[in-house]
Amino acid sequence: MQMTQSPSTLSASVGDRVTITCRASQIFGDFLAWYQQKPGKAPKLLIYKASTLESGVPSRFSGSASGTEFTLTISSLQPDDFAIYYCQHYNYYWTFGQGTRVEV
Amino acid sequence: QLEESGGGVVQPGTSLRLSCAASGFVFSAYAMHWVRQAPGKGPEWVALIWHDGTNDQYGESVKGRFTISRDNSKNTLYLEMRGLRAEDSALYYCAKEGIVGGERGWLDPWGQGTLVTVSS
Repeated sequence: MQMTQSPSTLSASVGDRVTITCRASQIFGDFLAWYQQKPGKAPKLLIYKASTLESGVPSRFSGSASGTEFTLTISSLQPDDFAIYYCQHYNYYWTFGQGTRVEV
Repeated sequence: QLEESGGGVVQPGTSLRLSCAASGFVFSAYAMHWVRQAPGKGPEWVALIWHDGTNDQYGESVKGRFTISRDNSKNTLYLEMRGLRAEDSALYYCAKEGIVGGERGWLDPWGQGTLVTVSS
């Protein structure tokens, strides 16, 4: 199973709507999670089952799925959101995307 | 809730054992994972062990060299690494597998990691 994440880098400003895409090499249902990682910190779970928001994660984050394409959307980018985002397939295979750096 | 230890600088071909001490949840009820991340790279899944230790799975790059295990009486997860290579150098995280209503597989939370450097 391959996960192709795009873009690798995204330049945005506070208040922007941001979309990150993860494409799977084959259809596998909704077994996809999104994580946020900041420098020197462990990845933090944002979304699981493609669209279920983890408890405590701001509602500006959302996830969706269509076939082999999965999307993470930040509706209005906040200063705390500048970070690297990873998608991850799970359930028998655990595979991460290459990451998307969201920068100013 | 998860605290890794045991990392260090080792020579190629040698062995190392990592530990992950768990607290704040019923350790024996959850599958556990090891994930590693080389400097400047994305995470790479390493291994999984079921909640009761009866089954495990490994990433292709470590299969046959690494062994995951757990001691539920001590709330501790282990990773035995043998035949270490330079490309095994990374920050090694342990992570608890999430489960909700029978659905499972995502990783939350993660520990802060322990650094393994393989160098001569």
